Formats: sequence, structure tokens, C-alpha cells
Amino acid sequence: QSALTQPPSASGSPGQSVTISCTGTSSDVGGNYNFVSWYQQHPGKVPKVVIYGVTKRPSGVPDRFSGSQSGNTASLTISGLQAEDEADYYCCSYVDRSKYVFGSGTKVTVL
Amino acid sequence: QVDLVQSGTEVMTPGASVRVSCKSFGFSVSNYYIHWMRQAPGQGLEWMGVIFPSGGVTSYAQNFSGRVSLTRETSTSTVYMELRSLTSDDTAVYFCAREAPYTGYFDPWGQGTLVAVSS
Repeated sequence: QSALTQPPSASGSPGQSVTISCTGTSSDVGGNYNFVSWYQQHPGKVPKVVIYGVTKRPSGVPDRFSGSQSGNTASLTISGLQAEDEADYYCCSYVDRSKYVFGSGTKVTVL
Repeated sequence: QVDLVQSGTEVMTPGASVRVSCKSFGFSVSNYYIHWMRQAPGQGLEWMGVIFPSGGVTSYAQNFSGRVSLTRETSTSTVYMELRSLTSDDTAVYFCAREAPYTGYFDPWGQGTLVAVSS
């Protein structure tokens, strides 16, 4: 199973929006499982879920984080970018037969 | 408070096997899926496998089939990950994480365990 494809980097100024794509196949992201999640990881820290079930936001995650999906591509949008949003972001999708695959990761820089 | 606490750093020689533990607090591993991931230095996250509540059934990523085993000890609510035939490519931080059944996401995560493989 190959890693899902994410852009290596994305950036924006404070207050702007940034969108990260996560492209897979009909066997994972596009497989109608609705099990796409996104994780934020600051340097040296443990990953933290910011979106699950494609569009759902866990309690405590700011509403400036949102998720969407179209076909084989899922997206994470961070609106009203803040300095603390600078981190690595990874998508993750259910594949089949109880397996999962992560994306290649995107480094978000706040300019 | 729900938490996963992993065992400490391991330094291994090539060809050896390593076992990392993941102990749950605030919940029982008998009721949740426990997943394992790893992250090599400067690299991304890689899913390794999962152990299910029912009878300790497991599922592994194809990349690790035959080399990794997940087991659990219900009396101590601890899950173990064993990785065999280590090479320098296995040097990474290994994480365990919980999934509530049929939710498809991992939360919380353990603090991570560094496994360093060097001759």
C-alpha cells in the first residue's frame, strides 16, 4: 500500500486560509468508508487528531479547521491561520480489511 | 483520565528482536482497537498494524507481514508490539494509539518509544 499523496509544503500569512490535499485511490480515500482523518504534529510532539470521519472536528479543536472530500481526494482547510498552526499535517485513510494508510505529510508554515 | 504509556528507549543490534509495551490508563484494551505506527527520523507516519478487542485478532500492514506481532495482556491492560529481524531501516519512534470501534481515527496516542538499531 503506497502512502497517500500530499504536497510537501504549504504556507500562508496570519489570518489567511491554507488548504492541504490528500490524494489516494478508489481503494482508500475514494472507497466510501468515510474514515479519513487528519493529524497535526508539532516538532518532537505526538500527533493530534484535528479532523475525523472526513469532516468531523473533535471536541477542543478550533472551528478554523475543516475537512472535505471529492472523489479520491480529501482536503484539510485551516482558515484564519495562526502562528500555532505551524506544524506537520498528515492525512490517514482506511484501506480495506482493517488496514490504514497515512499521507506523506505536509509542512505548514505561517509566514 | 485516558492515557497510553509506552516503555522506554531501546538500542538494538541488527538481526535482533524488540518488544515495546503500551499500557492503558482510564480504559481497558479489551474494549478498544489499539493501533501501532512508526516514524523514522525526519520522515512521515507509517501504519503498522492493529489488535482488536475480540479474541486479540490482528491485522498488519503488508510491509510488516511476518515480521511484526501484536499481543495483549488483559490482566494489565497492556499491548505489546514485537518486531523481528531488525535492520537500521527500523530505527524510528514507535507509537501506539487507541481507536474506539468503528470510528476510524486514533486518539489518544502513546508518548512514543525510540528504537535505535545500530551495530
